[in-house]
Amino acid sequence: EVQLVESGGGLVQPGGSLRLSCAASGFTFSNYWMHWVRQAPGKGLVWVSRVNNDGSSTNYADSVKGRFTISRDNAKNTLYLQMNSLRAEDTAVYYCAGKNSVSEYWGQGTLVTVSS
Amino acid sequence: QSVLTQPPSASGTPGQRVTISCSGSSSNIGSNYVYWYQQLPGTAPKLLIYRNNQRPSGVPDRFSGSKSGTSGSLAISGLRSEDEADYYCAAWDDSLSGRVFGGGTKLTVL
Repeated sequence: EVQLVESGGGLVQPGGSLRLSCAASGFTFSNYWMHWVRQAPGKGLVWVSRVNNDGSSTNYADSVKGRFTISRDNAKNTLYLQMNSLRAEDTAVYYCAGKNSVSEYWGQGTLVTVSS
Repeated sequence: QSVLTQPPSASGTPGQRVTISCSGSSSNIGSNYVYWYQQLPGTAPKLLIYRNNQRPSGVPDRFSGSKSGTSGSLAISGLRSEDEADYYCAAWDDSLSGRVFGGGTKLTVL
């Protein structure tokens, strides 16, 4: 069974940092490009970042560029998102998603709340 | 303001056919594939259509996608109560070097 399980969310103060993890199982992780997508409460989906299958290439949304870093460890089948200088507008459920040319898998999400 | 434009709402009665549009530009839909997602209340999004008109295994053939120029479209035929959900389109944007989503369409089955 394919599973993507996010962890690491929680309450953090503005300006703080958080590291999200996404543990993958049930598929060949190293064959998939991985994405982070977020959804603020009651709002739509917003793409955050992606990393290619071997971790050598990354892309970021302008709103997080310079503050967030995506990475992966194919030996551990795990995707990461290091989030620094967090702002109130970063409050959202963060989903990880694995994508190849014909299939796509999503996790259930982890909630990040940025508030004092 | 989303890069891809969808109607905020759509509705239909059971058995009807409904379509949801997604308007973009030459840098996204015009030059890349369109994807469609279904998000049931309180759950993660699920891929419905990839590469404009392809269905992943397990997705009923009641769902179909198309693309023309800088617009995409999702059609749902034989509408059922369990189709009530939010629907999102997405595409890669070459100018932004990032993925863009539509604002979402809330489908109500009357």
